[in-house]
Order: sequence, then structure tokens, then C-alpha cells
Amino acid sequence: DGGITQSPKYLFRKEGQNVTLSCEQNLNHDAMYWYRQDPGQGLRLIYYSQIVNDFQKGDIAEGYSVSREKKESFPLTVTSAQKNPTAFYLCASTGGGEKLFFGSGTQLSVL
Amino acid sequence: QKEVEQDPGPLSVPEGAIVSLNCTYSNSAFQYFMWYRQYSRKGPELLMYTYSSGNKEDGRFTAQVDKSSKYISLFIRDSQPSDSATYLCAMSGDPRWVRFGAGTRLTVKP
Repeated sequence: DGGITQSPKYLFRKEGQNVTLSCEQNLNHDAMYWYRQDPGQGLRLIYYSQIVNDFQKGDIAEGYSVSREKKESFPLTVTSAQKNPTAFYLCASTGGGEKLFFGSGTQLSVL
Repeated sequence: QKEVEQDPGPLSVPEGAIVSLNCTYSNSAFQYFMWYRQYSRKGPELLMYTYSSGNKEDGRFTAQVDKSSKYISLFIRDSQPSDSATYLCAMSGDPRWVRFGAGTRLTVKP
């Protein structure tokens, strides 16, 4: 079955530590996105990539970094510069257009 | 003012009721309107997609868009306990920038 796989499901970060969230898709989609979801707030765009080796900042990119070395993969690194990283992180993709397909999410918490 | 406003609820209804969910927006450039359903600690799934103004029906679900009022709605007929979830409205004028509402938490009681 085609879909988007996010791992891990739960992740804990120590102060000063960088952590990487994985996102893999087998939908053959060109565009991939990372969103952050906080309670009571809408999804906010962190980064997006429309083609391999190219990505753009979204609304809240500070403290995050991404790479897009393969069409199928779009990992997100939460750096130590992100002072409030606790949130539910969602990866999404589209084949062109506005219909986003989402992964099952990663809950990141701070120890 | 937020670009997309959505009442977070929570909303609780008895099984079989008609549910009305809505969002307002401020950006007149939005052309594409969507509703997503999100179960607890899961990724959102696309429920309804509408381009520009008008109505769209899919089974028990009806989406309405009124661009003149900058107002969109989702109606659920004969609501079921399995409809209990958070419903997110989303809209866009550019595929790279989809704006989401905060989500409305719905509980349908048996």
C-alpha cells in the first residue's frame, strides 16, 4: 500500500540535543512538507520541498533543518536552537495540488 | 486577525444528529477549500475538497463554500460515534501554502 511513514512515533529530546524525525513516502509525490501541531492551534508549516535537493522555509523554520537527497525521503532535524520543541510533527506530500496526504505523526517531548 | 478562524469546540451531539462545522477566513485569494478529519494522535485525512464557491456532497457529508462571505461549512448527517474526531478546515490559493484552522473537536454520543 502506498503511503507516508513517519518514525519514531514518540521521541524525547534532552536539552542541547539535536533530534531527527524520519519521513518516507512511496506515493511517487514530488512535493513534501513538514507541519507542527500544537494544542488549540492550526497546523503550521515548517519547511517544504517541491523537488529533490531543493527546499523552502515555511512560517516557523527557525530552529529546524531539513534535507531532500531522495524523492522518497524528507527528514526533519529539530536543533538545540528550537527552545520550545514539544509538539506533534506531521509530514505530508502531494502529487501536485492542494490535497495533502499525511503520515501518522511523531510526538516530540522534552525531557 | 488569523487568516483562518475555527471554533475549537468541543462539540458534543447525540447519535443521529446533524452536525454543522464552520470556518471563516480573511484572505480573498483562497480558491481551494478542504476539510480534514483527524483521530486522536493520528495524521489528518482528507474528507472533502472544493474548488471555489458552491456545494459538494459525499455520502453523509456536505461541504459548502460562500466566498462572498468568506465562510465555509461542513455538515454531517446522521452522525455516528465513529465520526468522533477533530475536524480541520484548510484553504489555499497556492499549493505551497495551505492554511489550517485550529480544528473543532466533535464527540458523537451513542
